[in-house]
Amino acid sequence: TQLLEQSPQFLSIQEGENLTVYCNSSSVFSSLQWYRQEPGEGPVLLVTVVTGGEVKKLKRLTFQFGDARKDSSLHITAAQPGDTGLYLCAGERGKNEKLTFGTGTRLTIIP
Amino acid sequence: DTGVSQNPRHKITKRGQNVTFRCDPISEHNRLYWYRQTLGQGPEFLTYFQNEAQLEKSRLLSDRFSAERPKGSFSTLEIQRTEQGDSAMYLCASSSAAITPGEGFFGQGTRLTVV
Repeated sequence: TQLLEQSPQFLSIQEGENLTVYCNSSSVFSSLQWYRQEPGEGPVLLVTVVTGGEVKKLKRLTFQFGDARKDSSLHITAAQPGDTGLYLCAGERGKNEKLTFGTGTRLTIIP
Repeated sequence: DTGVSQNPRHKITKRGQNVTFRCDPISEHNRLYWYRQTLGQGPEFLTYFQNEAQLEKSRLLSDRFSAERPKGSFSTLEIQRTEQGDSAMYLCASSSAAITPGEGFFGQGTRLTVV
């Protein structure tokens, strides 16, 4: 059973378009992280959100944590080919320090 | 210190052989995690150390798998009598509860192929 579901699973869009990736769960998380992973490499941390309703911006990327801390979204404005990769959300539940990863969204930006 | 380091990056082994992977965490991090990632999936938790103590093991970690962190620094993950189903990317991550609880900084992984 996957605790964190990401949608869409695959997304291919033209350079310059906007997109949103969703990470949903029925469980509450004390914090949630977003990672980007290139083929053959480990995930690279993009952001951590810890407060319900929190919004964080990283250049053209906007991350939001749901009010109930059960879901999150990643919005990319004016996508560029360098944004191509596998985007993973991961949550930490309570005092358990391990991360539970989502199913991933594979994003391809077409020049 | 340039981050989490894993060796080897790639390992091809015959079924039934034993393999050992090494992870060197970020030096000031006291927590070390092992994850396994198969193609098209997100990483799955295997086990976790705080200093030298192994605090949790996933049910995914069968008795053929063993992990150690003898001095609270580097860690090794050994797989005995490898099976084709063990083929995956094995990822190590480290974090510090004193700075950023729950955030994992990942190594580049060890890609295992069992033939």
